[in-house]
Amino acid sequence: NAGVTQTPKFQVLKTGQSMTLQCAQDMNHEYMSWYRQDPGMGLRLIHYSVGAGITDQGEVPNGYNVSRSTTEDFPLRLLSAAPSQTSVYFCASSWAGLAVYEQYFGPGTRLTVT
Amino acid sequence: AQTVTQSQPEMSVQEAETVTLSCTYDTSESNYYLFWYKQPPSRQMILVIRQEAYKQQNATENRFSVNFQKAAKSFSLKISDSQLGDTAMYFCAFMKNSGNTPLVFGKGTRLSVIA
Repeated sequence: NAGVTQTPKFQVLKTGQSMTLQCAQDMNHEYMSWYRQDPGMGLRLIHYSVGAGITDQGEVPNGYNVSRSTTEDFPLRLLSAAPSQTSVYFCASSWAGLAVYEQYFGPGTRLTVT
Repeated sequence: AQTVTQSQPEMSVQEAETVTLSCTYDTSESNYYLFWYKQPPSRQMILVIRQEAYKQQNATENRFSVNFQKAAKSFSLKISDSQLGDTAMYFCAFMKNSGNTPLVFGKGTRLSVIA
């Protein structure tokens, strides 16, 4: 299993550009989520999904869109990038079977918006 | 809403010594999970240890153990026999025990292990 994969690992955007951060998992996990990590702020939830076709907002959703058309993929779209979106982005997934609640994280994407 | 507080932004410890990282949380839930994640310079998030709130016994994983005080809403991490490879950011996290729910993270503690 590849686990949780994220592409790209690094990205530089200009203000106003749009892009999609990709996230995929091959563990048949129902739950997937996106976090952003900023210095001194820990990880903050952007959006999450409890299954294909179901998404919900987290703590910091503004400026981001998500969709979940398949169990495996959960892309994060930046509609019009702003310098405030410079951050490291993590995707995570988990399967709530029995008592298994561990979330598995991808390697992260470092995004810089100039 | 749940909140997680880590009051120690940075800590250091000598190699082979013991260090304790603090975490407190606020919730009105009765069933929940608590976690400690390690983030080394590679940036990968690694689960260190997990505690179920309904269990009174403190979780242990090799050199890592927790002191879970449910009434005080405290969840500290003790690292024994510290190793250079323990140098990392450590995040305390909370999750409601109600299906697939998000993690709520503290702001992290940067731990440096000194040779």
